[in-house]
Amino acid sequence: SQKIEQNSEALNIQEGKTATLTCNYTNYSPAYLQWYRQDPGRGPVFLLLIRENEKEKRKERLKVTFDTTLKQSLFHITASQPADSATYLCALDYQAGTALIFGKGTTLSVSS
Amino acid sequence: NAGVTQTPKFQVLKTGQSMTLQCAQDMNHNSMYWYRQDPGMGLRLIYYSASEGTTDKGEVPNGYNVSRLNKREFSLRLESAAPSQTSVYFCASSVNKLAGALLGETQYFGPGTRLLVL
Repeated sequence: SQKIEQNSEALNIQEGKTATLTCNYTNYSPAYLQWYRQDPGRGPVFLLLIRENEKEKRKERLKVTFDTTLKQSLFHITASQPADSATYLCALDYQAGTALIFGKGTTLSVSS
Repeated sequence: NAGVTQTPKFQVLKTGQSMTLQCAQDMNHNSMYWYRQDPGMGLRLIYYSASEGTTDKGEVPNGYNVSRLNKREFSLRLESAAPSQTSVYFCASSVNKLAGALLGETQYFGPGTRLLVL
């Protein structure tokens, strides 16, 4: 069956360090992979999208990689700040006419 | 623009009661979705509507019905609530999922409805 895993439920890092979150999938051939941020008590908010033919995408302090051979995406936040503390969700978009498949999320805590 | 709005924000029901969760979007999006989010389970798709006039089941549709009232509104109904339906419900919309394979579109989420079934 199709499966998507974010292999850390929680990640704690110090301010200024780079946070790296992992998203692995099996039995998919996604066309796109997306990353969302969710703050407590709120709905997810879109951050970045990467296409299957792109290796890397950047937006300010955020960087996403997509390795279709390893079936893995890495999400990096450089120079992390306490305001980056949130839950980050990855989502696969693999077939037209269907909806995104979401991972369970990784909760990032950045301490000052 | 308000984006995606959901009502109510909170609701407490007794087992067997019915209720309808309302969702509306003002972004002229064609596709709309209902998810539930439970601790340790992540976001799970209940139903979605790729375009006005169509609805399809998602991963966990049992116990729910939906209505795509018009292009703006997509409601979720619990006919006979059960404690297992205690959850946070999110509505989302996107431009047009049928074209998603070409456009790689994103979803816009509402603030959620917190439902407790006793």
